[in-house]
Amino acid sequence: QLQLQESGPGLVKPSETLSLTCTVSGGSISSSSSYWGWIRQPPGKGLEWIGSVYYSGSTYYNPSLKSRVTIAVDTSMNQFSLKLSSVTAADTAVYYCARRSPTTWDFDYWGQGTLVTVSS
Amino acid sequence: DIQMTQSPSSVSASVGDRVTITCRASQGISNWLGWYQQKPGKAPKLLMYAASSLQSGVPSRFSGSGSGTDFTLTISSLQPEDFATYYCQQTHSFPLTFGGGTRVEIK
Repeated sequence: QLQLQESGPGLVKPSETLSLTCTVSGGSISSSSSYWGWIRQPPGKGLEWIGSVYYSGSTYYNPSLKSRVTIAVDTSMNQFSLKLSSVTAADTAVYYCARRSPTTWDFDYWGQGTLVTVSS
Repeated sequence: DIQMTQSPSSVSASVGDRVTITCRASQGISNWLGWYQQKPGKAPKLLMYAASSLQSGVPSRFSGSGSGTDFTLTISSLQPEDFATYYCQQTHSFPLTFGGGTRVEIK
């Protein structure tokens, strides 16, 4: 059973860079046609797709965040990561990592989510 | 970007009721639509993919329909564990976008 787990600081200062890692277990991040993604949810609000990375390293970002986002995959560690620069209070959210199904393209496996608060 | 609009934003219903949630895409997405259920403090859970296909392990009281721009999620007989927020998401093209959510509350 595939499992995903987010890790990283729960508190980030304004203007700094938010960095999170998603560790995949129970399967290989390099599986053919596997896409991996980050989604966030501000407190009490809806879901926002941040971006996705293919196992080969190709990336797709939400245009609303593209100038500040970097997503990368580390196949040797079976992990993928998110960096979001120049954060503000508006970036306070629960951040989820997820797998995009290679057949249906929906997010079929999710991490439990991690709350990141932007505050000085 | 493809905008996804859900309605209603919330619905109050009783156990046993039939509940229907609507999702409309701002442009045609064929059947590239998924539905998710989210309970408080938990990650979303995939219920339906390809608009009308039931994800493995999801009860058959959930069903989906639609193609193009208009989609529905139906819960045929609401159970206590179904009280949650439901989201649609288009998987047709980047950027991937979600609907605003529909909260199903206990009447």
